[in-house]
Amino acid sequence: GAVVSQHPSWVICKSGTSVKIECRSLDFQATTMFWYRQFPKQSLMLMATSNEGSKATYEQGVEKDKFLINHASLTLSTLTVTSAHPEDSSFYICSARTSGRAFYEQYFGPGTRLTVT
Amino acid sequence: EDQVTQSPEALRLQEGESSSLNCSYTVSGLRGLFWYRQDPGKGPEFLFTLYSAGEEKEKERLKATLTKKESFLHITAPKPEDSATYLCAVLSADSWGKLQFGAGTQVVVTP
Repeated sequence: GAVVSQHPSWVICKSGTSVKIECRSLDFQATTMFWYRQFPKQSLMLMATSNEGSKATYEQGVEKDKFLINHASLTLSTLTVTSAHPEDSSFYICSARTSGRAFYEQYFGPGTRLTVT
Repeated sequence: EDQVTQSPEALRLQEGESSSLNCSYTVSGLRGLFWYRQDPGKGPEFLFTLYSAGEEKEKERLKATLTKKESFLHITAPKPEDSATYLCAVLSADSWGKLQFGAGTQVVVTP
């Protein structure tokens, strides 16, 4: 149980284009989803928190107009990187949290490797 | 401010050589402490949640314990497939559900 998927697993795009990453909870309903970014040899950096049906809450320093997050249903959240630049190249990981008995536990997706050329 | 410190940064073990990883934390009102395993190029895999001091949980060769200031992840008779980065994270009462991660301990188990 508690499986989270991400799509795509890797993507290469040209500078100036937009890329959408999907995060799905496959066997539970996720009231809250989180988006992280991870640089090589570093720990996870939280970008934003999204609750189903609400606007996402972004961490300090994260551009909300550049990283658009939509949590349209209890099983799907999307992250769109708009007007991507090479410095946006990174490993993006989502996590999901249920409203059930294991309320505080976050389950992570496999991650998406974004390369901007 | 919540702080999580993991030690050591890296650990190299011979197969069968048991060891422990440390996670020291400072939080205002602990809601939970979490251990994850992360393999290169993959997302973290959930291992354990500990909620209160004195609690212990086990899974195969791994055992997690919790005190009021730190948590230990004991690896008993490790195998090469236990090689990974182990992440510790805490959730505090005033963090709005956001986890505070440590930097991780990279474990390499050689045959």
